[in-house]
Amino acid sequence: NAGVTQTPKFQVLKTGQSMTLQCAQDMNHNSMYWYRQDPGMGLRLIYYSASEGTTDKGEVPNGYNVSRLNKREFSLRLESAAPSQTSVYFCASSDGTGALHTEAFFGQGTRLTVV
Amino acid sequence: RKEVEQDPGPFNVPEGATVAFNCTYSNSASQSFFWYRQDCRKEPKLLMSVYSSGNEDGRFTAQLNRASQYISLLIRDSKLSDSATYLCVVTRGNSGYALNFGKGTSLLVTP
Repeated sequence: NAGVTQTPKFQVLKTGQSMTLQCAQDMNHNSMYWYRQDPGMGLRLIYYSASEGTTDKGEVPNGYNVSRLNKREFSLRLESAAPSQTSVYFCASSDGTGALHTEAFFGQGTRLTVV
Repeated sequence: RKEVEQDPGPFNVPEGATVAFNCTYSNSASQSFFWYRQDCRKEPKLLMSVYSSGNEDGRFTAQLNRASQYISLLIRDSKLSDSATYLCVVTRGNSGYALNFGKGTSLLVTP
């Protein structure tokens, strides 16, 4: 019963390097999200995907791109990493109809350090 | 103004105490409300949904006041294992497709 699986769990990048964070869910959820969590800032939405084939910007999208590859997978790409992107990244998924939401399930997080 | 605001905390309480957390949200179009719990260096997990009529789950009671745009969480008979950060979560207005998180309130229950 995997739920939401994120890879990698830890990553160190040099400034300017690129990488893709992978996320997959096995709960047949329509909606998927990427958040970042920084000390004192709480969880902030980077991008979300309400359904397969759609993506929308969240609160802090600059410096990131996403791909909703299929219903199960939602990846986050950093094209040119910057120290300001050092953070813990969480992928999540949920289901809902319109404005109503069900429980969101989170992956275990990716701890990214950009040096 | 941030869309979801919570008590700054931290709250340090003795075992057995009752503690209350408050949260306000700014978007009157929000439709779904939750409390999540996050343990240190772990992912957030749902504690309970919050309904207009109020709801209770064991020692936990959640209340929603739509008119005041206010959500509360009451924990009775605190246990050491309740020590965590509690996150107030609200859907993003009409879209409903994303969740806005408060910064969280840290609770430490001491022996």
